[in-house]
Amino acid sequence: DIQMTQSPSSLSASVGDRVTIACRASQGITNYLAWYQQKPGKLPELLIYAASTLQSGVPSRFSGSGSGTDFTLTISSLQPEDVATYYCQKYNTAPFTFGPGTKVHIK
Amino acid sequence: EVQLVESGGGLVQPGGSLRLSCAASGFTFSSYEMNWVRQAPGKGLEWVSYISSGGKIYYADSVKGRFTISRDNAKNSLYLQMNSLRAEDTAVYYCARELPIDSWGQGTLVTVSS
Repeated sequence: DIQMTQSPSSLSASVGDRVTIACRASQGITNYLAWYQQKPGKLPELLIYAASTLQSGVPSRFSGSGSGTDFTLTISSLQPEDVATYYCQKYNTAPFTFGPGTKVHIK
Repeated sequence: EVQLVESGGGLVQPGGSLRLSCAASGFTFSSYEMNWVRQAPGKGLEWVSYISSGGKIYYADSVKGRFTISRDNAKNSLYLQMNSLRAEDTAVYYCARELPIDSWGQGTLVTVSS
């Protein structure tokens, strides 16, 4: 099975900083990669699908890139409401594995 | 508005069984693929099982042979039969629509403990 890894596992950044989270698949998944945001005590929400397509209603400061095995989620200007754990998920073939998550804090 | 409402969670002893249900509304349930996803306390998301609109089924290795997913389109309902439960199955279980997942239920807590 394809394994999903994320780095870093956690990060701390200042408001307004550019933040980058990496997700890597152990084998190629073309662009069948989604990103989710889970704020503390809340349900996950879909941010990006097909590696780079922004879900409707998601702020434009979020962007995704990558294809094959290496993917990136970028927050162009970190806001206080972006404090959350971010997960990637592959959905090309089963199992539809999530990455372990990246927790984002504000400095 | 899409609504997914899970039920059936609770406290069960190791080796026991539970059946989770998810009542769907606000969309044409029969046309959508559905999933169960779980989250152990303080841990990350774990995909558990999938059923397509046509009945194709997949499981995570961690539950294969113990859990069974099913759906009743006439009742707009998704189910997860969980047998031979283990302590490591303790989690909030979410019903989730589509891949990638665009809607989540509020979840139902399953606690496996003696």
